[in-house]
Amino acid sequence: DAGVIQSPRHEVTEMGQEVTLRCKPISGHDYLFWYRQTMMRGLELLIYFNNNVPIDDSGMPEDRFSAKMPNASFSTLKIQPSEPRDSAVYFCASTHYYRGTGELFFGEGSRLTVL
Amino acid sequence: AQTVTQSQPEMSVQEAETVTLSCTYDTSESDYYLFWYKQPPSRQMILVIRQEAYKQQNATENRFSVNFQKAAKSFSLKISDSQLGDAAMYFCAYRRNTGNQFYFGTGTSLTVIP
Repeated sequence: DAGVIQSPRHEVTEMGQEVTLRCKPISGHDYLFWYRQTMMRGLELLIYFNNNVPIDDSGMPEDRFSAKMPNASFSTLKIQPSEPRDSAVYFCASTHYYRGTGELFFGEGSRLTVL
Repeated sequence: AQTVTQSQPEMSVQEAETVTLSCTYDTSESDYYLFWYKQPPSRQMILVIRQEAYKQQNATENRFSVNFQKAAKSFSLKISDSQLGDAAMYFCAYRRNTGNQFYFGTGTSLTVIP
């Protein structure tokens, strides 16, 4: 069974550019989470979805960030315009509330560098 | 609000020795899950071990075991016979059953000394 798939693995862009990170959760999972990891702040929850519906986006830093989940197998995290302080590793993770063993399954992360 | 505290930013252990990583959490709920995740330099987050709060028996996975003290809200990870490949950042995590939210500690960086 394929794990959580994220793309791109690495992204280098210039300040002001739009960045789109993509995620394919594990098939059948009904929860999807986006996290950001930095040395300063550790692992921060940005937003999470249940059955494609955003449940809590209070962690989204500002209006430059947006996330969508148009269907059960795809989600995007968009930053527009990007700033150097957005440089981080962005993780997508999924889980099923009732089935399985309860843990989060993480993708390999997307390392974003904004110059 | 639920919080997870890892009070040891860094730990080190000699190869083949045993090390214990600490984790405490704050909750008013009685049913929840606890996890330890490992993040090696490759940055992949890997589940090490999980514990369901209603189970009194401590979870074990080969060289990894936990000491779950529900009343004290403590969930420590013991790594026996440490290996070089155990060097990584270790995160303690709490999952509440209502709302399915996860809370992570700040991590403990483990160095294994040959």
